[in-house]
Amino acid sequence: GQNIDQPTEMTATEGAIVQINCTYQTSGFNGLFWYQQHAGEAPTFLSYNVLDGLEEKGRFSSFLSRSKGYSYLLLKELQMKDSASYLCAVRVAGGYNKLIFGAGTRLAVHP
Amino acid sequence: NAGVMQNPRHLVRRRGQEARLRCSPMKGHSHVYWYRQLPEEGLKFMVYLQKENIIDESGMPKERFSAEFPKEGPSILRIQQVVRGDSAAYFCASSPPRQGNYGYTFGSGTRLTVV
Repeated sequence: GQNIDQPTEMTATEGAIVQINCTYQTSGFNGLFWYQQHAGEAPTFLSYNVLDGLEEKGRFSSFLSRSKGYSYLLLKELQMKDSASYLCAVRVAGGYNKLIFGAGTRLAVHP
Repeated sequence: NAGVMQNPRHLVRRRGQEARLRCSPMKGHSHVYWYRQLPEEGLKFMVYLQKENIIDESGMPKERFSAEFPKEGPSILRIQQVVRGDSAAYFCASSPPRQGNYGYTFGSGTRLTVV
């Protein structure tokens, strides 16, 4: 079976740092993705991890531990525009590009 | 290079009518994926298609739902005899044949409302 867990909601203050966790149990693993989705809009790609460790991209970083089935997305210097849902997705093995998504974490950034 | 194009953006149907959702992938992308998103929920995989082939339809409801990706033209997600529970946002995504480090490119979605 496929199971991807994320917290439902988080709140943070403008300028702060927030970490959004994701745990997964899937039949096969071939990469983990984070997407951002603003209300009423399409998801947009943020980051990709396939090997253990940290990937940094500007204010956003993503970490993966395959042995623990665990990832996190780290957002630094939070801005109001970062208020959105953050979706964790696993690409299952099998030779093609199918992604299984978690339910998403709604992040509210307050002044 | 246009992104993934979905239309219509909004669609209202009465119970029992048919809904047709269209998706044109990005140029160079031959793989199309359809997802459904209920309010306040995540994206649920429905079907994965390549040109003229359904590769994985494990997320499609057994009845009333069908999908195609013909040799020419957009991919179509068809819902027959819609019911209120079909109201959702339907997102299409596309990718090139090879696996990459960016996953999908999503369209803006079609928001279906059944009244």
